[in-house]
Amino acid sequence: DSQMTQSPSSVSASVGDRVTITCRASQDISRWLAWYQQTSGKAPKLLIYAASNLQNGVPSRFSGTRSGTDFTLTISSLQPEDFATYFCQQATGFPPVSFGGGTRVEIK
Amino acid sequence: DVYLVESGGGLVQPGKSLRISCEGSGFTFDDYGMHWVRQTPGKGLEWVSGISWDSVNILYADSVKGRFTISRDNAKKSLYLQMNSLTIEDSAVYYCAKDDDGGRSAPYFFESWGQGTLVTVSS
Repeated sequence: DSQMTQSPSSVSASVGDRVTITCRASQDISRWLAWYQQTSGKAPKLLIYAASNLQNGVPSRFSGTRSGTDFTLTISSLQPEDFATYFCQQATGFPPVSFGGGTRVEIK
Repeated sequence: DVYLVESGGGLVQPGKSLRISCEGSGFTFDDYGMHWVRQTPGKGLEWVSGISWDSVNILYADSVKGRFTISRDNAKKSLYLQMNSLTIEDSAVYYCAKDDDGGRSAPYFFESWGQGTLVTVSS
């Protein structure tokens, strides 16, 4: 089974900061990873799929990279609307789907 | 715009059954795989089940296998989750999510989500 370890669990940052969130897969998942943003009380929103592809309509300050089994979501310049919880998700099918534990981005 | 609207959640006793539904609009429902994902208040996301556009590929998380049944009615643009033998651990907000393709095989990416329906299992 492909388990996802996400870090950090929370981060405090200011508007304009660069924020980096990491997910490590327990085994090779190729590029089959997505990132989601969830603001309070709302459904998750797809930001990045296949490790580095930006979903339509998502601002370009969001980016995703892969290095082996390590995946990174970067917000280049944090905006007020970016304070939220972010989840990674492996999509390989083994098991079909699993999510990371989430990273809460808070206002410093 | 894509809309997914869940319904049918509520309070149910342990051991009982409940069926939740999701109606889709704004897209060609029978072209896409669909999934159920749940979230315990204040906690993370757990994928529950998925079904391909033609109901050929059906998948379940180990935690619900044998108790939950996913199905869809493309004519009604609707997705269902029949939940039997419910336990307290099944209490969560249940989201339906649209796959980014037909769902016949991995990868499974969820490009649209509903607002969720709350299921509370309690005596």
